[in-house]
Amino acid sequence: VQLVETGGGLIQPGGSLRLSCLASGFNIGNTYMSWVRQAPGKGLEWVSIIYSGGSTYYADSVEGRFTVSRDNSKSTLYLQMNNLRVEDTAVYYCAVPTFDYWGQGTLVTVSS
Amino acid sequence: DIQMTQSPSSLSASVGDRVTITCRASQGISNYLAWYQQKPGKVPKLLIYAASTLHSGVPSRFSGSGSGTDFTLTISSLQPEDVATYYCQKYDSVPRTFGQGTQVEVK
Repeated sequence: VQLVETGGGLIQPGGSLRLSCLASGFNIGNTYMSWVRQAPGKGLEWVSIIYSGGSTYYADSVEGRFTVSRDNSKSTLYLQMNNLRVEDTAVYYCAVPTFDYWGQGTLVTVSS
Repeated sequence: DIQMTQSPSSLSASVGDRVTITCRASQGISNYLAWYQQKPGKVPKLLIYAASTLHSGVPSRFSGSGSGTDFTLTISSLQPEDVATYYCQKYDSVPRTFGQGTQVEVK
């Protein structure tokens, strides 16, 4: 099993970014998948989840600004992040935590 | 939303000591509780799921217990390689909240 995130970078407040997570070794359509983030020097924060049936849920801190989706044919999970704030600065992990599937993380820095 | 509170926030113990970390949920979550270990600069790793089931490959010195609102992660004999931050996470429902973490150091 491998998860590889891409798409992080430096973005100004109010900007948008899309993270991608390419999965291999399992079928992403058969399980839930999550985004988890970790601000510099801080703890883990659950961000969003997409279930196998397609239902999506978000942390209050990102509700209305972030959208999780997936393309099963491409084995890819996405996180569309709009109206980014300084406090969204973090390493973003694509993960199925209870299966111990984690990507290496991609750093998103929101700064002017 | 259900809050997850870990204690202590940090601890320092000697090699060979028994170490206990607690995680309390503000409402009952049955046994839908996982524990993770994150070493400095590394990706988190699953230690325990379903409150007490040891994940494959995890040393047997780690154990978990509890149900409902009160949970415990125990390291029976602390080793130098156990220096890390430990997190609990509820997964009974959304939001799948993490505890704030417990940093474990070796004296």
